[in-house]
Order: sequence, then structure tokens, then C-alpha cells
Amino acid sequence: SQTIHQWPATLVQPVGSPLSLECTVEGTSNPNLYWYRQAAGRGLQLLFYSVGIGQISSEVPQNLSASRPQDRQFILSSKKLLLSDSGFYLCAWSPFRVGEQFFGPGTRLTVL
Amino acid sequence: DAKTTQPTSMDCAEGRAANLPCNHSTISGNEYVYWYRQIHSQGPQYIIHGLKNNETNEMASLIITEDRKSSTLILPHATLRDTAVYYCIVRVPNTGNQFYFGTGTSLTVIP
Repeated sequence: SQTIHQWPATLVQPVGSPLSLECTVEGTSNPNLYWYRQAAGRGLQLLFYSVGIGQISSEVPQNLSASRPQDRQFILSSKKLLLSDSGFYLCAWSPFRVGEQFFGPGTRLTVL
Repeated sequence: DAKTTQPTSMDCAEGRAANLPCNHSTISGNEYVYWYRQIHSQGPQYIIHGLKNNETNEMASLIITEDRKSSTLILPHATLRDTAVYYCIVRVPNTGNQFYFGTGTSLTVIP
């Protein structure tokens, strides 16, 4: 069966510090991968998606970036965090080019 | 993708059917209707999707009107664990398979 992992579960970082969140998927190959952010009390915002290794599409211009160094690994990064980067970050995958997405447990990021 | 309109919040008594409406009046012929839900502090969970016909699975039923301009998600016997935000999404299948979540309907199941 397929599983998706995200770490860390929670993170507290000072403004201006770097960020690296990692997501890995097990039990499937060549998945589509996604990063979402949910600010407190807000809806879910699609940040990036990837249809293959090294292929990243950005949905919202911001100080975040994403990379996919391996087929089942998706990384969200920032060189300098802003207060507005606080939120609940979710990674998701879909097994085909079409079909439902499956979400990881999420990382709750607080930028102070 | 077509825009969807959902009520901000709804209440439902435990054990009763929960009927969550969604308007998508600008839907095109090849757009599917998807439903997800998000329980507090968790990632969204897929519930059901459909194109034209009504659909049913172990979680819910999806009723799509004949003109496809609206749909209703039905939870036949709501439990307290069904308290969540429910998202209705209309989209065309594509390579990226992106989903754009709105603000959804916050359903509270009352004991």
C-alpha cells in the first residue's frame, strides 16, 4: 500500500531563517506531487506541483521554492522566512495524471 | 476550472442525513465534480467524484442535477466524526491534476 510521509510535524523558526520541509511517498512510482499551505483560518492554497523529477510548476509567486530530486521525494524550501510563511503545510500525491489526491499528515510551521 | 459556491457553514443532527449543496453554474461538459473533506488539523480526504451520473460509495452519495449546474453531497447517517470542512471542486482532468480548494462548508454534527 502507498504511504506519504512529511517531516517535521511541527517547526518553530525565527524570521529570516531558512526552511526545508521534506515529503516522501512509498509504494508507488512516478506520482504527481503537490505542496499546499493553509494559513490559520484560511483555505488551502496550492503552492507547487510536480509531474516528474526536476519538473516544478509554481502556482503562487513567493519566497518559497520546491525541488524534486528523486521520483518520490518533494522538498519545500525558503532562504529567508517571513512572518506570513506561518501555516500548515501539506504534501500530497496522486497516482495518475488524473484522479484523487492523497495527503500527508502536514507540518505546522510557526515563524516568530 | 469552473467556480463553485458553497454555504459557509451548516449544522446536522447526529444520525440524520447531511445534505451539502454546491453550485457550479458555469461548469463545462468535461468537468468533473469532486468532494473532499478536511477534519481539523489533518490533510483533506477524498470522498467522491462524478461527471454526470449520481455516484455512491461507502462514505457518501453524490447527486448531480440533470443540467449539472449544482450537486449535493449526502452523508446518509452523520456521526460526530463527520464534523469537518467539506470542499466541492469542479475541474477538468489534466496532466498536472491540480486541485484548487475554496473555503468549503464547515459542517458541525450535533449530538
